[in-house]
Amino acid sequence: AQSVAQPEDQVNVAEGNPLTVKCTYSVSGNPYLFWYVQYPNRGLQFLLKYITGDNLVKGSYGFEAEFNKSQTSFHLKKPSALVSDSALYFCAVRAYSSASKIIFGSGTRLSIRP
Amino acid sequence: ETGVTQSPTHLIKTRGQQVTLRCSSQSGHNTVSWYQQALGQGPQFIFQYYREEENGRGNFPPRFSGLQFPNYSSELNVNALELDDSALYLCASSSYRGGNTEAFFGQGTRLTVV
Repeated sequence: AQSVAQPEDQVNVAEGNPLTVKCTYSVSGNPYLFWYVQYPNRGLQFLLKYITGDNLVKGSYGFEAEFNKSQTSFHLKKPSALVSDSALYFCAVRAYSSASKIIFGSGTRLSIRP
Repeated sequence: ETGVTQSPTHLIKTRGQQVTLRCSSQSGHNTVSWYQQALGQGPQFIFQYYREEENGRGNFPPRFSGLQFPNYSSELNVNALELDDSALYLCASSSYRGGNTEAFFGQGTRLTVV
């Protein structure tokens, strides 16, 4: 069965510092991995995806994520945080064999202090 | 903003009633998925429609049903509403039923069951 774990409910970072939001996954076969962001009272916005190839994936708003197959992780990173990055972040996985279903983690609230 | 629109944005229903939520997919997308996001949780996959046929279903009872129309718009119907059905319902469209394509989400419908 597919699953996604986001071990931190909240991450607090000072503006200008690097940030990391952690994600680990479990899936049979090759995974398709995604990060989404959700602002208050809004739907989810796509940030980036890993399908195959380079383990470092670059996405929107300066975010990037590193795929690590041996650790089954897909951590979201940004070199320099902005206050406007404060939001709820979701990691998600789709198994190659399960065409329709995307499984989401429970979310991590990112808070950037000025 | 994505091209996915949902209506209504907010809805209050009484336990036992029935509700219909609507979603217009992004231009060029033929696949619609529905998710339920309870407060403080990640989205849970309800089902997906591809070319007007159900193409995968999550762990939801049969009183959750759906439709997809020839223009690829979709409806989610919930019968015999229960208090636990109170949630944000998200519609996502994509250009293919699975694989490496990301899904684009609407802003959601906030359903409150009293």
